[in-house]
Amino acid sequence: QQQVKQSPQSLIVQKGGISIINCAYENTAFDYFPWYQQFPGKGPALLIAIRPDVSEKKEGRFTISFNKSAKQFSLHIMDSQPGDSATYFCAANDHNYGQNFVFGPGTRLSVLP
Amino acid sequence: DAGVIQSPRHEVTEMGQEVTLRCKPISGHDYLFWYRQTMMRGLELLIYFNNNVPIDDSGMPEDRFSAKMPNASFSTLKIQPSEPRDSAVYFCASSPKRGLSYEQYFGPGTRLTVT
Repeated sequence: QQQVKQSPQSLIVQKGGISIINCAYENTAFDYFPWYQQFPGKGPALLIAIRPDVSEKKEGRFTISFNKSAKQFSLHIMDSQPGDSATYFCAANDHNYGQNFVFGPGTRLSVLP
Repeated sequence: DAGVIQSPRHEVTEMGQEVTLRCKPISGHDYLFWYRQTMMRGLELLIYFNNNVPIDDSGMPEDRFSAKMPNASFSTLKIQPSEPRDSAVYFCASSPKRGLSYEQYFGPGTRLTVT
């Protein structure tokens, strides 16, 4: 129940296209859903995060869509650029359970020029 | 700010040796986390501290692993004795207390290879 499932495992998108990564969870107590971006040789970095009281959050080209009833959330990258090529991790946290974040397995995104 | 600092960046050691990984969190951050990342298991939380006190060490694989935080600016993760299956990238992260769930800032990681 503490797992976060993520798909696809890898994704190839043409420059200018839309990249979509999906995550699903079971624990309805999760109340914070961040996305992290990781470049090779670097640590993950927070990209954008959402709480379940909103269905969508947008920051620049990055949008999180959240479906509470389906227990799913997704990351959309609009106008994808080669510089977006990285591994993306979704995560979830129940603040009542402390700061234990559960991470998805990651999606390797490649944006072709 | 320099961000989270980890040392060494790379460590190669032989099975049975003691390994010590070091972390300096961002100044003013209340929480410190140790993670392990492998291809097979992804990113796993090993242990985290709040104000230098270990809060949850349920992710520590076994007694060979230990972590300490003697002060707000330094933490160590020790593996003794090391085994080949400990080979992974170990990340330290820190976060400020802000709201309900806290943004974590990751260090660059230490790539550990145990032969």
